[in-house]
Amino acid sequence: EDKVVQSPLSLVVHEGDTVTLNCSYEVTNFRSLLWYKQEKKAPTFLFMLTSSGIEKKSGRLSSILDKKELFSILNITATQTGDSAIYLCAVDNQGGKLIFGQGTELSVKP
Amino acid sequence: DVKVTQSSRYLVKRTGEKVFLECVQDMDHENMFWYRQDPGLGLRLIYFSYDVKMKEKGDIPEGYSVSREKKERFSLILESASTNQTSMYLCASSPLDGRGINEQFFGPGTRLTVL
Repeated sequence: EDKVVQSPLSLVVHEGDTVTLNCSYEVTNFRSLLWYKQEKKAPTFLFMLTSSGIEKKSGRLSSILDKKELFSILNITATQTGDSAIYLCAVDNQGGKLIFGQGTELSVKP
Repeated sequence: DVKVTQSSRYLVKRTGEKVFLECVQDMDHENMFWYRQDPGLGLRLIYFSYDVKMKEKGDIPEGYSVSREKKERFSLILESASTNQTSMYLCASSPLDGRGINEQFFGPGTRLTVL
């Protein structure tokens, strides 16, 4: 059965810290891995990763995929209170739907 | 700007009531999805639809049904609500899979409480 596992499930840091969120997967027909950010509303798309070793970057957020070891990381540098959210990882298994992990709840304290 | 809307942000119902959750997208997407989100469990797929009048069971369809009479609208129905269906319900849509892109666009969610 295809599955996606995120760690940690929750994390508390202080402003200015750097955090790394993990997403590992076991999927039979991998096509892409997606990261979403969810505040008190709809999840919003961050990144889609399809190739190993190519970093995607947007401001202080970056992500990379390792298709050999079957995981991805999402890095956030110089965290701000506005980064507080649930971060969702999902994998496209070519079945027309996404397989989601449990999410990581990040809390950034001032 | 892409948009997925859900009929209610918050809903309180009683055990045994029939509940309708509505989702509308304005992006002409073929695919639509209903998830529930619970702490520690992430998003779990209830039902999805690839086309009008077409539906597929997701991972947890028990106790739910869906209706897709028009391309832009996907309804989730709780035939007889139970307390274990108290949850956040998220609707999403995505374009046809053939392009190899499967980014899903989400609505704001409906927080349903069943008393």
